[in-house]
Amino acid sequence: ELKVEQNPLFLSMQEGKNYTIYCNYSTTSDRLYWYRQDPGKSLESLFVLLSNGAVKQEGRLMASLDTKARLSTLHITAAVHDLSATYFCAGGDFGNEKLTFGTGTRLTIIP
Amino acid sequence: GAGVSQSPRYKVAKRGQDVALRCDPISGHVSLFWYQQALGQGPEFLTYFQNEAQLDKSGLPSDRFFAERPEGSVSTLKIQRTQQEDSAVYLCASSLAIGGPYEQYFGPGTRLTVT
Repeated sequence: ELKVEQNPLFLSMQEGKNYTIYCNYSTTSDRLYWYRQDPGKSLESLFVLLSNGAVKQEGRLMASLDTKARLSTLHITAAVHDLSATYFCAGGDFGNEKLTFGTGTRLTIIP
Repeated sequence: GAGVSQSPRYKVAKRGQDVALRCDPISGHVSLFWYQQALGQGPEFLTYFQNEAQLDKSGLPSDRFFAERPEGSVSTLKIQRTQQEDSAVYLCASSLAIGGPYEQYFGPGTRLTVT
């Protein structure tokens, strides 16, 4: 059974700094997703990573996938306040459509 | 077009009451998923459908939980004899098709509070 772990669980950082959120998963997964959730809101899809070495970037966020290490990272560059949210990674088992989510990283950007 | 919609957005139920939560997926999306999100946690899978067929219900926590999608579009999650531990946000998601790594698009959720 796929298990997904994220760290850190909480992250408070200053505007303008860089940081990385880590997502480890326990068994082979054929896809890895990153979602953003604002308080009281639903999940917004950020990235879908499908293959080893995949890297995707959108604005100040960049996600990568290393299937050999069973690790995905979400890198934040020069953080700004509006990136404050909870970020989830989720993986899917081969041949199974359901997603298994990590516990989330609550990111707070301090001006 | 419109995204995934869910109703009601908020539901307060007394312990022991039955509740029904509705999900309208994105038009044309074949797959529909239900997740439960407890406060401060990530969503946990409950069940999913391909069209009207329920392909996996392994995440339903007890036989008090029942989901249906009779015409392959709108889905209803029913919880019978609600308990306090059922309090959570229930999220519905849909995706274009099965068999591919399609993104799941989430609705706003229904926040259920059992008193």
